[in-house]
Amino acid sequence: GAVVSQHPSRVICKSGTSVKIECRSLDFQATTMFWYRQFPKQSLMLMATSNEGSKATYEQGVEKDKFLINHASLTLSTLTVTSAHPEDSSFYICSASVRRENSPLHFGNGTRLTVT
Amino acid sequence: AQSVTQLDSHVSVSEGTPVLLRCNYSSSYSPSLFWYVQHPNKGLQLLLKYTSAATLVKGINGFEAEFKKSETSFHLTKPSAHMSDAAEYFCVVSRTGNTPLVFGKGTRLSVIA
Repeated sequence: GAVVSQHPSRVICKSGTSVKIECRSLDFQATTMFWYRQFPKQSLMLMATSNEGSKATYEQGVEKDKFLINHASLTLSTLTVTSAHPEDSSFYICSASVRRENSPLHFGNGTRLTVT
Repeated sequence: AQSVTQLDSHVSVSEGTPVLLRCNYSSSYSPSLFWYVQHPNKGLQLLLKYTSAATLVKGINGFEAEFKKSETSFHLTKPSAHMSDAAEYFCVVSRTGNTPLVFGKGTRLSVIA
């Protein structure tokens, strides 16, 4: 079946630094990718939707300058958390699909980000 | 705004007995609703989805869910649990369409031999 690879699975960084998370579709061309985050003891929530070759669409309350999303190819999307702070510590997960009605979503295994 | 409440954080059943995982939702739109399963160390897998067609939705591996608008519920059921069903289950609400928007906190299903 379709596989989405997310890297790294865990990352610890210092406050003020930037962290890049990669999401790759390994055996299909993902025209659309989604990024989610889950704060401790809270639900997983959609952050943004990115379509290959265009700017990402961010959900209300998500800072686009803070969470930079790049979807430059059909197999790779990246999420960069810029100038990370402890409150950005969270679980981030991506999913990918092709732009077709009722196409399934395929999820990565997530990235646990800890900002110290 | 959309929200999802999974009423049980952990459900334990004996193998061969029915499974019921409860989910209530809140949505200002006509929602799409999903159930996803996550086995240990694996990604999320779609079990089934409701998108305003039939209210009783059949999914993979014998699971089904019924959309009840009057109760704002979308409970997941299976007649007979199998050991391989042990996993984390997530109820998800969306705007119309296929984009999962808000996940519940998950229900861990344990199946006892």
